[in-house]
Amino acid sequence: DGGITQSPKYLFRKEGQNVTLSCEQNLNHDAMYWYRQDPGQGLRLIYYSQIVNDFQKGDIAEGYSVSREKKESFPLTVTSAQKNPTAFYLCASGRTGNNSPLHFGNGTRLTVT
Amino acid sequence: QKEVEQNSGPLSVPEGAIASLNCTYSDRGSQSFFWYRQYSGKSPELIMFIYSNGDKEDGRFTAQLNKASQYVSLLIRDSQPSDSATYLCAVNSITDSWGKLQFGAGTQVVVTP
Repeated sequence: DGGITQSPKYLFRKEGQNVTLSCEQNLNHDAMYWYRQDPGQGLRLIYYSQIVNDFQKGDIAEGYSVSREKKESFPLTVTSAQKNPTAFYLCASGRTGNNSPLHFGNGTRLTVT
Repeated sequence: QKEVEQNSGPLSVPEGAIASLNCTYSDRGSQSFFWYRQYSGKSPELIMFIYSNGDKEDGRFTAQLNKASQYVSLLIRDSQPSDSATYLCAVNSITDSWGKLQFGAGTQVVVTP
C-alpha cells in the first residue's frame, strides 16, 4: 500500500542535542513538506521541497534543517538552535499544483527535556 | 491577521444533528479548499475538497464554497460520536507556484450521545 512513513513515533532527547526525524513516501509525489503542530494550534510550515536537491524555507524554519537527496525521502533535523522543539511533527507529500491535497504521515512526537 | 480563520470550539452537537463548521480566508485569489479531520493524537486525514463555488456532497459531508465572501464551510449530517474530532480548514496559497496549503487552527467538534 502506498503511503507516508514517519519514524520514530515518539522521540525523547536532551536539550542541546540534534535529532533527525525520518519521512519516506512511496506515493511518487514530487512535493514534500514538514509541518509542526503545537497543542491547540494549527499546522505551521517548516520546510518544503518540490524536487530532489531543492527545498525552501517555510514560515518557521529557524533551528531546523532538511535534505532531499531522493524523491522518496525528506528527513528533518531539529537542531539545538531551535528554542522550543517539543511538538508534534508532521510530514506530508503531494503532487505539485494548486489543486493537489496533501497526504500526511502518522507524525513524530518529539519531547526535549 | 491570520490567513485562515476558524472558530476553535468546542462545537457540541447532539448525535444525529447537523454540525456546521465555518472557515474564512484572506487570500482572495485562493483556488483550492480542503477539509481535514484530525483525531486527538493522530495526523490529519483528508475528508473533502472543493474548487468551485457552490456545494459538494460526499456521503454525510457537504462542503460549501463562496469565493465572493471568502468563506468555506463543512456540514456533517447525522453526526455520530465517531465524528468527534478537530476539523482543519486548508486553503492553497497562490503567492508562489508551489501551491502551499495554509491551515486554520481547527474547530473541535464533540458529538454527544
